[in-house]
Amino acid sequence: GAVVSQHPSWVICKSGTSVKIECRSLDFQATTMFWYRQFPKQSLMLMATSNEGSKATYEQGVEKDKFLINHASLTLSTLTVTSAHPEDSSFYICSAPGAGARYNSPLHFGNGTRLTVT
Amino acid sequence: DQQVKQNSPSLSVQEGRISILNCDYTNSMFDYFLWYKKYPAEGPTFLISISSIKDKNEDGRFTVFLNKSAKHLSLHIVPSQPGDSAVYFCAAISYNTDKLIFGTGTRLQVFP
Repeated sequence: GAVVSQHPSWVICKSGTSVKIECRSLDFQATTMFWYRQFPKQSLMLMATSNEGSKATYEQGVEKDKFLINHASLTLSTLTVTSAHPEDSSFYICSAPGAGARYNSPLHFGNGTRLTVT
Repeated sequence: DQQVKQNSPSLSVQEGRISILNCDYTNSMFDYFLWYKKYPAEGPTFLISISSIKDKNEDGRFTVFLNKSAKHLSLHIVPSQPGDSAVYFCAAISYNTDKLIFGTGTRLQVFP
């Protein structure tokens, strides 16, 4: 089945540094990818929609200058957390819709990235 | 504003019995609902879905029921197995967007 690969699975960085997270669709093309964020014991919250070849669409309250999204190819989207601070520590998950009509193609998720900012 | 709510943060069920996970939503534009299962440190995996034109969808041990008038859906797992222990998220999509809105999740524990 469709596989989404996310890298790294975990990262620890110092406050003020930037971290890049990659999301790849391994056996299918994804013109759209979604980035989610999950705090402990909370829901997965949609941060932004990554669109291949165009600008990402950010959800209300998400700082686009802080969370830079690049979707340069049909199989790769990247999320860069710039000037990370401890409050950015979270679990970030990307996803991509499978091929076909949406009712038959639920989202396929990566395994997530645990970011800890010290 | 939590549009999809799972009011039970946890559920404990004995192996072999039925597990019932509940989900309520507020947005009447939602027309497609999904259940995902998630293990720690992993991304969610798709379990089962239902369109708003149906009130029931069954797949093996998993059945999802939808009550549109009550804006309520439920996931039934029978018989429950220890391997079903995970966090279950319900999610919804509205007909005018592909954005998946998740509930807060219910941690299911199936004990022998």
